Formats: sequence, structure tokens, C-alpha cells
Amino acid sequence: GPKVLQIPSHQIIDMGQMVTLNCDPVSNHLYFYWYKQILGQQMEFLVNFYNGKVMEKSKLFKDQFSVERPDGSYFTLKIQPTALEDSAVYFCASSFSGNTLYFGEGSRLIVV
Amino acid sequence: GEQVEQLPSILRVQERSSASINCTYENSASNYFPWYKQEPGENPKLIIDIRSNMERKQIQGLIVLLDKKAKRFSLHITDTQPADSAMYFCAASNHYAQGLTFGLGTRVSVFP
Repeated sequence: GPKVLQIPSHQIIDMGQMVTLNCDPVSNHLYFYWYKQILGQQMEFLVNFYNGKVMEKSKLFKDQFSVERPDGSYFTLKIQPTALEDSAVYFCASSFSGNTLYFGEGSRLIVV
Repeated sequence: GEQVEQLPSILRVQERSSASINCTYENSASNYFPWYKQEPGENPKLIIDIRSNMERKQIQGLIVLLDKKAKRFSLHITDTQPADSAMYFCAASNHYAQGLTFGLGTRVSVFP
């Protein structure tokens, strides 16, 4: 099936530093999403992105978070500065129509 | 927005029996209800979905039912096998841009 690629698969970072998570969505997809999952728990919506703009973001999408997709390249989630509670697996997803979402393998972020 | 409740949180079933997971949603405008299966350390994968113009859908041993009046939908895994052991998430979507709202998940364990 369609593949969403995420880089890095895991990263350990010192609290206060910046991290960028990269997502290569399915090539003809138009909608892009980030979800956060703390180990074994619920998938929590962070943000979605369409036509170069953030469409909607949740309360979890703090001011330290930002997303962009410059020139159709990677769809990125940047956290600056990171906090301990940002430790989680971040899943990128993409969709052609906004309904069926295809998830990447996740980026496991550990903030120490 | 949307809120999705999912029960039970843990489900242990004997091999070859059925497993049922129930979800309810709040927003009557929701029109798309996918189910995702997530194995440990992996990404969520879409296994079956149903749209609001249907009441029942079956793909092999998976059956989903949708009761729009009650705002309830369910997944039934018939003839369970050990490979069905995983986390299962229901989700609902009521707007193309909002992505999916997930339930808290059900950990299914199939024992011999």
C-alpha cells in the first residue's frame, strides 16, 4: 500500500534543544497530519496541513511547535525548545481526500 | 470537534472465538469511521472502514456495524487467531480537514 516515510526513526535530545522530524508523504496526497502517541496510549491529533497552511491544530500543538512543507519537500514538525513531556512517538500521516489516513512508521523522540 | 469513546480497553479472547469492540461518537455530522490495528513498535494500519451511507461492512473475518441513530459503531473479529493480538483503535471524522479523532484503543490478546 501507500508508504509514508519518516526520518529519523528515533532521536534522543537534550531538553531545551531543537528537533526537526521529517515526513515524506505519499506522492499524490494533499493533506498531512502529525499525531503524538505516548507509549501504548491513544493517538492524539496535533495538527493538519493543506495547501501550504495549517488547517487546524489541537491544544497539544504548543507555541514551541511548528510545521512546514517548503517547496513540496518533507513535511516537517519542529519543536523548539523541547521539553521532557515532548517525549513520545510522533506519527506523520497523509491523505488524498482527508478521510483515509496512511501513517508513517513513527519517530520516537526521547527528551532527557 | 469530535469525542470518541472506545470500550473495552482490554480484551482477552480464546482462539477461534469472536472479539467485539464498541465505540461511540458525539458529533452527528461524523461520516467516516475507520478502524486501525497497531502492533507493538509499529504504525497504525487501516484494516477496515465504513462510511455513513452504510450500516454493515465485512472484509473476510472483520465486520463493522454502524448505528447512526445511536452514534455507535463496532468492530467484530470472527474466528480470532493469535495474529489478531494487537491494539485496535476506532476513529471518526466529520470534516475532511480535521483528520481523525481516535478512541483510546483496545488491547486485544488472543490466547490458545
